[in-house]
Order: sequence, then C-alpha cells, then structure tokens
Amino acid sequence: AQRVTQPEKLLSVFKGAPVELKCNYSYSGSPELFWYVQYSRQRLQLLLRHISRESIKGFTADLNKGETSFHLKKPFAQEEDSAMYYCALSEGITGGGNKLTFGTGTQLKVEL
Amino acid sequence: EPEVTQTPSHQVTQMGQEVILRCVPISNHLYFYWYRQILGQKVEFLVSFYNNEISEKSEIFDDQFSVERPDGSNFTLKIRSTKLEDSAMYFCAGNPTVIGYGYTFGSGTRLTVV
Repeated sequence: AQRVTQPEKLLSVFKGAPVELKCNYSYSGSPELFWYVQYSRQRLQLLLRHISRESIKGFTADLNKGETSFHLKKPFAQEEDSAMYYCALSEGITGGGNKLTFGTGTQLKVEL
Repeated sequence: EPEVTQTPSHQVTQMGQEVILRCVPISNHLYFYWYRQILGQKVEFLVSFYNNEISEKSEIFDDQFSVERPDGSNFTLKIRSTKLEDSAMYFCAGNPTVIGYGYTFGSGTRLTVV
C-alpha cells in the first residue's frame, strides 16, 4: 500500500530564509507526486505536479526516486507563504485508479 | 478559473439523521471524488466516481455512504444515518483525466454531527 510521510507537523522560518518541506513516500510502482497548499479556511489548491517540473510562487520540488522523496523548496520565504502544505501521491492509471494519498501535512509559519 | 462548488458550507445534523452533501464539478471533468478530513487529521480518500459508477472506494466508505450524479451535473454524497465520528470536512474534487493532471478541490462542507 502507498504511504506519504511528512515528518514535520510545524515548520517555522523567518521571512527571507530558505524553506524545505519534507515529503517521503512508499509505493512499489511509478507514482505521481503533488504538493497541495491550504491557506487558512480555504480550499486545497494544487501547487505543484512533479510531471510538469514547474515552479509556482517560487516553490520547486524534485522527485528523487532513489530516496523516494519529493521535498518542497523555496529559496526565500515570504509572509504569504504561511499555510498548510500537503504532499500527495497518485498511483496513476497503472495502479488501477488515481486516488490521492495524502501526507499529514506541514504547517508553514513565516515570521517577520 | 473554473471552480468546484460545494453546498452547504456548514451543516449541523443530529446523530442518526441523513445528510446529503452537494457538489457541482467543473464541466469538462470526467472523474469525481469525495475526500474527508477529520479535524486535526489528514485528508482521506472516500470514493471515486467515473462514468456514472463508483470506480474505487475506501474502507471508510461503508454501506452508510452512497454517491450519485442524479442529473448529470450535481455530484452528491449521502450519509444515511450519521454518527458522531462522521463529523469532518468533506471535500469534493474532480479532474479531467486519469493521468497526473492534478485535482481541483471544492471549498468543502463542514459536517458537524451532534
């Protein structure tokens, strides 16, 4: 069974400092990985997809299959980055369905 | 940008009552899902729906739960006899394809069972 682990429940950084939100996964097939962000009292929003290798709001994430990780990084944190971040894995069509399995989330707090 | 719309935003119900949570997906989406998030816990998959039938469901989605798309647009989640432990945020989501596009989530319905 697939599993997503986000070891940090809370990450507090100062504005302008680098940010790294950790995500590790276990899945026997080829996963598709995503990062979702949830600002206070708002819906889950897709932030990044590993297959598109894009950078959104200055965030990047690289899939490391050797380390089974998909850490989210940003070089300089901004106050508006404060939110809950969820890493999620999809089995993809080869897994017979594409439900998302979420990690427990990391609350990022950017302090001034 | 198109949105997934969920109603109501908050529902309070008595234990044992039936509730129906409603979702209006984005028109070109083909796959629909329900997830729930109990306060302080992670987002959990409930059920996926494609071509007017359930394609996958989790162990949470027992006989008390059902989904349907009665008029080809609205997508509903029904809980027949609510329990206290059904109190959670329920999210509807959709995507247009199976492979890695990413989901669009609704803003959620907060269900409180008293």
